[in-house]
Amino acid sequence: SQQGEEDPQALSIQEGENATMNCSYKTSINNLQWYRQNSGRGLVHLILIRSNEREKHSGRLRVTLDTSKKSSSLLITASRAADTASYFCATGYSSASKIIFGSGTRLSIRP
Amino acid sequence: SAVISQKPSRDICQRGTSLTIQCQVDSQVTMMFWYRQQPGQSLTLIATANQGSEATYESGFVIDKFPISRPNLTFSTLTVSNMSPEDSSIYLCSARGGTSGTRYEQYFGPGTRLTVT
Repeated sequence: SQQGEEDPQALSIQEGENATMNCSYKTSINNLQWYRQNSGRGLVHLILIRSNEREKHSGRLRVTLDTSKKSSSLLITASRAADTASYFCATGYSSASKIIFGSGTRLSIRP
Repeated sequence: SAVISQKPSRDICQRGTSLTIQCQVDSQVTMMFWYRQQPGQSLTLIATANQGSEATYESGFVIDKFPISRPNLTFSTLTVSNMSPEDSSIYLCSARGGTSGTRYEQYFGPGTRLTVT
């Protein structure tokens, strides 16, 4: 079963704009990870954020975590055509547990 | 980060046959997993591959249909048995708990695209 729900399900923006995707989950977590998947390819690990962290950055990516609202967001700044992909959040309960994937957001960047 | 390879990358199989997918990690990892991804869908966990013991299956997945082996800390196989067209999917191997990353970061192989006719 899926722990997380992501919104929007699909997002289309102009190149250069910022893209924000949200992930909500139901039960308390230990960590949350964001992944990117290009069409027909494997998953690329983007960022992991621990439950005691509120924000992390990696290049043009910014991830926030609000444990009180049980939600996380992924912001991609200055989007590029190469950012076109599906983005998934995945929640983990401990270092020894499985991670559960959200439903994903399909991001399209218009030239 | 761990580098994960899978073989085959894709296959077309006849119903009733079985296919074994191999997963190789470039370093020792604590945990390995197998996922399935239907076209346009998210990932569903099939099982956790346990080194030296039987895999732990998720609800809806059984050992007779998806036997899994994990003989050591870098290798695992998933067999899709007695295949039907409903088994057409992408199967992904995943690993966590390597020495080069944090114990929480989980990495994925490129996937095996299976089509059953």
